[in-house]
Amino acid sequence: GIQVEQSPPDLILQEGANSTLRCNFSDSVNNLQWFHQNPWGQLINLFYIPSGTKQNGRLSATTVATERYSLLYISSSQTTDSGVYFCAGTGNNRLAFGKGNQVVVIP
Amino acid sequence: DTGVSQDPRHKITKRGQNVTFRCDPISEHNRLYWYRQTLGQGPEFLTYFQNEAQLEKSRLLSDRFSAERPKGSFSTLEIQRTEQGDSAMYLCASTGLHPGNEQFFGPGTRLTVL
Repeated sequence: GIQVEQSPPDLILQEGANSTLRCNFSDSVNNLQWFHQNPWGQLINLFYIPSGTKQNGRLSATTVATERYSLLYISSSQTTDSGVYFCAGTGNNRLAFGKGNQVVVIP
Repeated sequence: DTGVSQDPRHKITKRGQNVTFRCDPISEHNRLYWYRQTLGQGPEFLTYFQNEAQLEKSRLLSDRFSAERPKGSFSTLEIQRTEQGDSAMYLCASTGLHPGNEQFFGPGTRLTVL
């Protein structure tokens, strides 16, 4: 199955700082999603981005499908951005997840 | 449309007991997925349905686990003779018919086996 590697595993940010999270895939995927997992465990959809670049407020994502990686940018981070970020890709219907990026934003 | 819903949100049971979880997908979605997430890990695929047909099962789904989607709408996941290793968050997701479509997740059922 597809292997997903996320980096860095842990990140501590000062409020207002920018950061980049990276996701590498072992094989081509035909769907790529970024999620934020809230403290109660629900996965909140951030981006559906098989290729290209999308922006939503302070967050943006870029996927380079030919090189099998995706990036999530957080700009002007806020304490509410804290939590675990997951990327996941579909090779054969099922989503394969990475282990996540644990982000802590300190005031 | 209220999104994907799951019931119960939390379940505490004793080892050896049977438990059943329910998932109601987004109404127009044909595909329904079950995933399991343990502490510190990303969710792992368990099984998926297209309408009422169960099309794929992971090797993680031992013979103590069974899933159904009898009318192609809601789904149930049953675990028989629970073990402490079954303690996890069980997540349900749904999507449209086309492969590669965006998946939307429910709030999950957190199972604790004592």
